[in-house]
Amino acid sequence: QVQLVESGGGVIQPGRSLRLSCVGSGLSFTNNIMHWVRQTPGKGLEWVAVIWYAGDKTHADSVKGRFSISTDNFNNTMYLEMTSLTPEDTALYFCAKEADGFDVWGQGTMVTVSS
Amino acid sequence: AGLTQPPSVSKGLRQTATLTCTGHRTNVGNEGAAWLRQHQGHPPKLLSYRNNNRPSDISERFSASRSGDTASLTITGLQPEDEAEYYCSAWDINLSAWVFGGGTKLTVL
Repeated sequence: QVQLVESGGGVIQPGRSLRLSCVGSGLSFTNNIMHWVRQTPGKGLEWVAVIWYAGDKTHADSVKGRFSISTDNFNNTMYLEMTSLTPEDTALYFCAKEADGFDVWGQGTMVTVSS
Repeated sequence: AGLTQPPSVSKGLRQTATLTCTGHRTNVGNEGAAWLRQHQGHPPKLLSYRNNNRPSDISERFSASRSGDTASLTITGLQPEDEAEYYCSAWDINLSAWVFGGGTKLTVL
C-alpha cells in the first residue's frame, strides 16, 4: 500500500527558512511524479511544485526563487526547502503522487509564518 | 489562470448533482480535468482523471465529462457521505503548472 507522510512543519518567523519532508512507502520516487500542494486554512488548494522522474522540476510562480523541491531517492524522501517565508505561505502542505491526477496524498504538515 | 467552480451546490438525498469547472483551452480544454473530493479534516481524494477515468475504489455513482473548456462531475444517488468539498484540477500547458478550481461545497439535504 502506497503511503506518504509529511513532516517538518511548525511556527516560523517571516523571512526565515524551513524544510519539509515527505517519506514514501510502497513506491519509489524514481518511478513517480511527485508534487507539493498547499491549502490555506479554510480555503482551496494551490499547487506548489513538481519533480519528474529524471529530476526535472517546476515551481509555481508564487514560490519561484524561494522554494525548491528535491528528492533523496535512496531514502525515498522528498523535500521542500522554503526560504524567505511570508505570512502568505501559511498553509497545510501536502505531498502527493501523480498518476493521471493526484492519486495519493499525505495527511499534510502545517506551516504557520508569524512573528 | 485558475479554474472556476461554483462555490456551493445543494441537492436532496438520492438526487443527482452536477458540478462544473470552467477553464481554458490551455488546461481543461487541452487534456481535461481531474476531480478530487475532500472531507473536512482529511486530505483530498482522487475521484476521476482525464475526464472520466475512475480509480478502482471509486463508485460508479461518480462520472466525469468535458465539453470544450468546461469539465463536469455528476454524482447520482446522493448519499450523506457525499457532502464534501469538490475540486477540479488540470495541467496548464502555457503556465507549465497545475491549476485548481476554488472548490464547490456540496450539501446533501
